[in-house]
Amino acid sequence: EVQLVESGGGLAKPGESLRLSCTASGFTFSTAWMTWVRQAPGRGLEWVGRIKSKTDGGTTDFAAPVRGRFTISRDDSKNTLYLQMNSLKTDDTAVYYCTLYTFGSSHYWGQGALVTVSS
Amino acid sequence: QSALTQPPSASGSPGQSVTITCTGTSSDIGGYSYVSWYQQHPGKAPKLMIYEVTKRPSGVPDRFSGSKSANTASLTVSGLQTEDEADYYCSSYAGSNNLVFGGGTKLTVL
Repeated sequence: EVQLVESGGGLAKPGESLRLSCTASGFTFSTAWMTWVRQAPGRGLEWVGRIKSKTDGGTTDFAAPVRGRFTISRDDSKNTLYLQMNSLKTDDTAVYYCTLYTFGSSHYWGQGALVTVSS
Repeated sequence: QSALTQPPSASGSPGQSVTITCTGTSSDIGGYSYVSWYQQHPGKAPKLMIYEVTKRPSGVPDRFSGSKSANTASLTVSGLQTEDEADYYCSSYAGSNNLVFGGGTKLTVL
């Protein structure tokens, strides 16, 4: 059974940093492409970014609002995905989901981690 | 990248069919066959219902179907059931390694 468990959410002040983790199980993590998707309170889904598997280059891509501030990395030895969020803004307040991504779709989602950015 | 356009709400009675549309451009929906639909119940994570325009993941009832014409994708739910009441989001690959979502449609089963 595929499981994705996010952790590391919490409260941060504008300008601060936060790192989310997503621990995966039930599939071969090292060959998977993974994404982060967020959802602001009462709002819709927003794609944040994606990381390819190392065998496919391990490259990352990001949505315009977070490009240059967020990075995605992975530790295949720990089956763990990371989202490093720097220079946080109040607009970054959202539930952040990690997802298993295949052919343009997020086939499995974690339960989400709440990030609140407020002074 | 602009969000895809969905109607904010849709409704139908149990047993009826309802179709939710998702309008994009030739740079996203019209240009690729990577349209997906997600169902989200309140307080829960989204669940994939349709991928690659028409395909259903294992376990998704065949009451759910997807289609696409030009720059508009559609999700049809046939034989509505009370448990189908949820928010539905479309998404599409948008080129240049980007993905875009629709604003969501709240489906009410009357």
